[in-house]
Amino acid sequence: NAGVTQTPKFQVLKTGQSMTLQCAQDMNHEYMSWYRQDPGMGLRLIHYSVGAGITDQGEVPNGYNVSRSTTEDFPLRLLSAAPSQTSVYFCASSSTAGHSGRNIQYFGAGTRLSVL
Amino acid sequence: GIQVEQSPPDLILQEGANSTLRCNFSDSVNNLQWFHQNPWGQLINLFYIPSGTKQNGRLSATTVATERYSLLYISSSQTTDSGVYFCAALSNTGNQFYFGTGTSLTVIP
Repeated sequence: NAGVTQTPKFQVLKTGQSMTLQCAQDMNHEYMSWYRQDPGMGLRLIHYSVGAGITDQGEVPNGYNVSRSTTEDFPLRLLSAAPSQTSVYFCASSSTAGHSGRNIQYFGAGTRLSVL
Repeated sequence: GIQVEQSPPDLILQEGANSTLRCNFSDSVNNLQWFHQNPWGQLINLFYIPSGTKQNGRLSATTVATERYSLLYISSSQTTDSGVYFCAALSNTGNQFYFGTGTSLTVIP
């Protein structure tokens, strides 16, 4: 049981390049989400999904796209990377969606992204 | 969204000392969680505690939902307790978690 797996662990991009951060979970969780962590700002929600085919914006969605074609996978796409997107990105999953019952979040190990 | 404030922002303890971390939130919640981020960046869930008190070894947490705060107690601290502690809240009306900015704890031997 691998839990939440994120790839890659590290990435360096040039301004304007595109890339996809991968996130997969093997716990059959409905709810998945992406956060970015910047110094002194805690974790901020980028996008989330309450189930396959359903996504919604979080607190800081600009510059990012997501899709959820399967229960297991929730990739995060940067279409045109900017230096302001330099951050550590975390994917998380939990068994239920929203406020319906327990919603303990399990986090991946993170992706450290630098945009030059 | 919910405003989540944590205090203190930084804490330095001698090994063996006790500490209390506080999390205030601005709206009613039905999901409040505490996390520990270790020095390698890994985030681990410590408690799911929308109300009441729970204990797990040297750690315990209390949430008073009616007064909109939660406390995390660390007793007999160890160097392995070092890291950043976050609380996160989910409002009664939404699907989004809001994190505080964390308390950075350093335990010195």
